[in-house]
Formats: sequence, structure tokens, C-alpha cells
Amino acid sequence: EAQVTQNPRYLITVTGKKLTVTCSQNMNHEYMSWYRQDPGLGLRQIYYSMNVEVTDKGDVPEGYKVSRKEKRNFPLILESPSPNQTSLYFCASKEGREETQYFGPGTRLLVL
Amino acid sequence: QKEVEQNSGPLSVPEGAIASLNCTYSDRVSQSFFWYRQYSGKSPELIMSIYSNGDKEDGRFTAQLNKASQYVSLLIRDSQPSDSATYLCAVNMFMEYGNKLVFGAGTILRVKS
Repeated sequence: EAQVTQNPRYLITVTGKKLTVTCSQNMNHEYMSWYRQDPGLGLRQIYYSMNVEVTDKGDVPEGYKVSRKEKRNFPLILESPSPNQTSLYFCASKEGREETQYFGPGTRLLVL
Repeated sequence: QKEVEQNSGPLSVPEGAIASLNCTYSDRVSQSFFWYRQYSGKSPELIMSIYSNGDKEDGRFTAQLNKASQYVSLLIRDSQPSDSATYLCAVNMFMEYGNKLVFGAGTILRVKS
């Protein structure tokens, strides 16, 4: 089944404790992206990757890191999480020139 | 700044009625427009895409696009309680580095039985 998977789905952590949210897709998509969703603000792009080893900042990159060492994986790293990073996070992927994005199931993060 | 605007709602309609969801966008040269449905706590799901002025119908859903007015809408006919969700409008906008999908904040739709 074609899908985007994220882990963990739910995470409660404390300020400053490094964490990684994994994202994996099995559709051989070139493009992958991370979004955060907050009430009243919609989906805001954090980082995106056009292909392996190619990443760039989205609209709200501060406090986040990403890497794209393999085509299928695009982990999101929070080196020192803060409470304002409490949010619902979505990973998405698409074929390079296509416009339809496929979303993962989401990761709900609470930073205390 | 390139933006997509939606009324946050909630929009409440009785079962069987037509729900009309609206969206405006700032980038005059945008060519691709999308509607996503998102149930509470779930991921967005693409339900309609539209590229040309006019109407595009798919079952109970009709997307309408007016590029001159920078306006796109989604009509849901014979609304059902299962249509209750947040509807996200997304517009593919041209940036310096390529295209980018910009989302509106979403409109909450509630269909009452």
C-alpha cells in the first residue's frame, strides 16, 4: 500500500530534550515536506526537500532541523524543543513535477 | 506575502442542504487550486483539484474557479453529517525557487442531522 508513515504518532516531552520524528514514504517520491498545524493558522511549511541531500527552509524553520540521506526518509529533528513547538506535525511527499501531496497520519507533540 | 484566505467558520448547514465554502488568494499567476478535507485529528485528504476557470464536478462536490477575481469555491450538494470536517483550500504559488503549495487556515463545516 502506498503510504507515508510517521513515528511516533503522539509524544510528550520536556523543554530542551532532543527528539526526532521520523517520516518514511514508499512511493519513491522525490519531494518531501514537513508542516506544522496550529489552530487558526492552517498548515505551515517547516522544511522541504526536492531530492536526496537537497533541503531548504519553509516558512517556519526556526528550532527545527532535517536531513535527507535516503530518498524514502525525511526525519524532523528538534534539538532543544520549547513549548511553542507544541503542535500537530505532518509529513508529506509527492512526485517531483506532480502537484498532489500525500500526507502522513500526523504526530501530535506536546512540549512541557 | 503570498496568502490564501478562508472564513474559519464554523459553517453550519442542515443535512441535505448545499454547503458553500469560499477561498481567495493573493497570487494572480497561480494556476493550480486544491481542496482538502481534514477530519478532526486526521491528515488532510485531497478531494478536488481545479486548474481552469469555471466549474468542475465530482459526485456531490463542485469546485468553482474565477481567476480574474482570485476566488475559488467548493460546493457540497446533499450535505451529509459525514461531511462535517475542516476544509482546506490550497493554492500552488510561484516562488523564486519553484512552486509552493500554500494552505488557507481552513473552514469548519458542521452538517446537522
